[in-house]
Amino acid sequence: DAKTTQPPSMDCAEGRAANLPCNHSTISGNEYVYWYRQIHSQGPQYIIHGLKNNETNEMASLIITEDRKSSTLILPHATLRDTAVYYCIVSYTYGQNFVFGPGTRLSVLP
Amino acid sequence: ETGVTQSPTHLIKTRGQQVTLRCSSQSGHNTVSWYQQALGQGPQFIFQYYREEENGRGNFPPRFSGLQFPNYSSELNVNALELDDSALYLCASSLVGTGPGLASYEQYFGPGTRLTVT
Repeated sequence: DAKTTQPPSMDCAEGRAANLPCNHSTISGNEYVYWYRQIHSQGPQYIIHGLKNNETNEMASLIITEDRKSSTLILPHATLRDTAVYYCIVSYTYGQNFVFGPGTRLSVLP
Repeated sequence: ETGVTQSPTHLIKTRGQQVTLRCSSQSGHNTVSWYQQALGQGPQFIFQYYREEENGRGNFPPRFSGLQFPNYSSELNVNALELDDSALYLCASSLVGTGPGLASYEQYFGPGTRLTVT
């Protein structure tokens, strides 16, 4: 079973920030938080990952709470092309066995 | 940098037949993982290959088998196909290091092979 829980769906207005939450209360000290997204049955696309510090790249920001039991993926200016299923995964770096949950279906609305 | 590629893109087989799916890993990567994604669900881990050996397996029967070749490309074989094997099969590659300073952070997925079993 997935070690994460996410809301099944969210809407966001185009141009606004999309904030996608993820709970991972049983995360262990050596497990990273990864975010992927999947657009209409294409292969999942890597977005960002982190261990305990907040991370930012050209696609998104990842905010991890101090107790590491939850995180938020932030898409700063959502576009229609960001409509996808977003998966939050916790995993060790070595011997990765990604356990995907059902994810959050994000709909960006014009 | 060459991304992960998979072949074929689509495949239709009959129940009881055997199928082989292929994956070329991203340049510089040494580890390949296979996932099965049924319609409307998240991908499910089948197994992973590292240095040509199976390095972890999910809850899939032995009729799902694989190979990894010296160039790190990989095959997924499924025998005695069942209707429930109809799914999108995804391959993901990553770099797993064995020394300090090297670590695997992200897996890069291919576009998948859509298998339909009739």
